[in-house]
Amino acid sequence: GAGVSQSPSNKVTEKGKDVELRCDPISGHTALYWYRQSLGQGLEFLIYFQGNSAPDKSGLPSDRFSAERTGGSVSTLTIQRTQQEDSAVYLCASSHPTSGGVGEQFFGPGTRLTVL
Amino acid sequence: AQSVTQLGSHVSVSEGALVLLRCNYSSSVPPYLFWYVQYPNQGLQLLLKYTSAATLVKGINGFEAEFKKSETSFHLTKPSAHMSDAAEYFCAVSDETGGGNKLTFGTGTQLKVEL
Repeated sequence: GAGVSQSPSNKVTEKGKDVELRCDPISGHTALYWYRQSLGQGLEFLIYFQGNSAPDKSGLPSDRFSAERTGGSVSTLTIQRTQQEDSAVYLCASSHPTSGGVGEQFFGPGTRLTVL
Repeated sequence: AQSVTQLGSHVSVSEGALVLLRCNYSSSVPPYLFWYVQYPNQGLQLLLKYTSAATLVKGINGFEAEFKKSETSFHLTKPSAHMSDAAEYFCAVSDETGGGNKLTFGTGTQLKVEL
């Protein structure tokens, strides 16, 4: 079956513009995660959705970042008024928690965001 | 708070030699530990995971890792390196305590395999 897909694969934007990054998780996966991978900070957790529960937003770096997940499936990460330090690869992952275990996270290929 | 330390941002081995990538963790609760591999311009792929079952965990592509609580370590090994193993490797920890399975990653180790 299809894996996690993300679009666009690359995004170049100007400082101050808003951007939207999309993630399509694996069908049936109830959990969805966003991470950011940058040269200076490594891999960082941003936000986590689990079913209909309130999302865990503890990793979002500022109020310019927001995310939503519609219908328990597709998720959009929005960055408003982008800054150069937002340049990074944004990775999405999904998982289906197993009973008594830890569900493996399957990662998408990422969206490379460049803010000029 | 939990954290992961990967010693050595770059490791170089000869083809056929032992691969050893080091990972030490810090966690206030029994951890879940993972190794992921990232090939150029690709997402992360799970190599193996430790979830409190056997301390020696076998993964894909001939990799394995041993959980040592006394040393707070989870080093990744492979007996014989192959050119195709060249990639970046990330160790990660999760405490799965009401916060879902969000992962805290180490800074990564770039593995180079030479002829």
